Amino acid sequence: QKEVEQNSGPLSVPEGAIASLNCTYSDRGSQSFFWYRQYSGKSPELIMFIYSNGDKEDGRFTAQLNKASQYVSLLIRDSQPSDSATYLCAGGGAGSYQLTFGKGTKLSVIP
Amino acid sequence: ETGVTQSPTHLIKTRGQQVTLRCSSQSGHNTVSWYQQALGQGPQFIFQYYREEENGRGNFPPRFSGLQFPNYSSELNVNALELDDSALYLCASSFGQGYDEQYFGPGTRLTVT
Repeated sequence: QKEVEQNSGPLSVPEGAIASLNCTYSDRGSQSFFWYRQYSGKSPELIMFIYSNGDKEDGRFTAQLNKASQYVSLLIRDSQPSDSATYLCAGGGAGSYQLTFGKGTKLSVIP
Repeated sequence: ETGVTQSPTHLIKTRGQQVTLRCSSQSGHNTVSWYQQALGQGPQFIFQYYREEENGRGNFPPRFSGLQFPNYSSELNVNALELDDSALYLCASSFGQGYDEQYFGPGTRLTVT
């Protein structure tokens, strides 16, 4: 059973701080990971993807992947109240057609 | 906006009925994946359609079925609705087989009473 685990939160950070969201996965065959942001009542929005070990930066977002530890993270720098949402981590494996999602971490950025 | 559209937005059905949900993929995309998202959960993969063929299926019973049309739009059909089928149904558009870079539509909220 392929699983992606996330702390459900809520994670509260003050405006301007760094928010750190974490995800672990059980399937060592998973190759690619995706972070989606989902506002309440809306559909998930793709914000980052990462395929290789290490860091990948895009604006205020940095995704980190450590395949040896089966660990993925998303850092949000200079957090804004508009970043308040649920963040979903998803993984895909070799030969697979599906994304396996975690339950999501709810982030609240406090003004 | 992803360019992926879904209809209807909301739907209320009675247990035992059948429902059809529709999805139009983003321009340039030829693959549609369907997911079910229950409240407080992450999306669960139902199946994927690529070039009008079912390309992979999650742990859902046969009463969940689908179609993809030559223009790459897609339908999800659910027969014999159960109360537990109440959820947000999401379609995701992508290019090529597999799980890469999927972009979600706004979803259809299905309530089964």
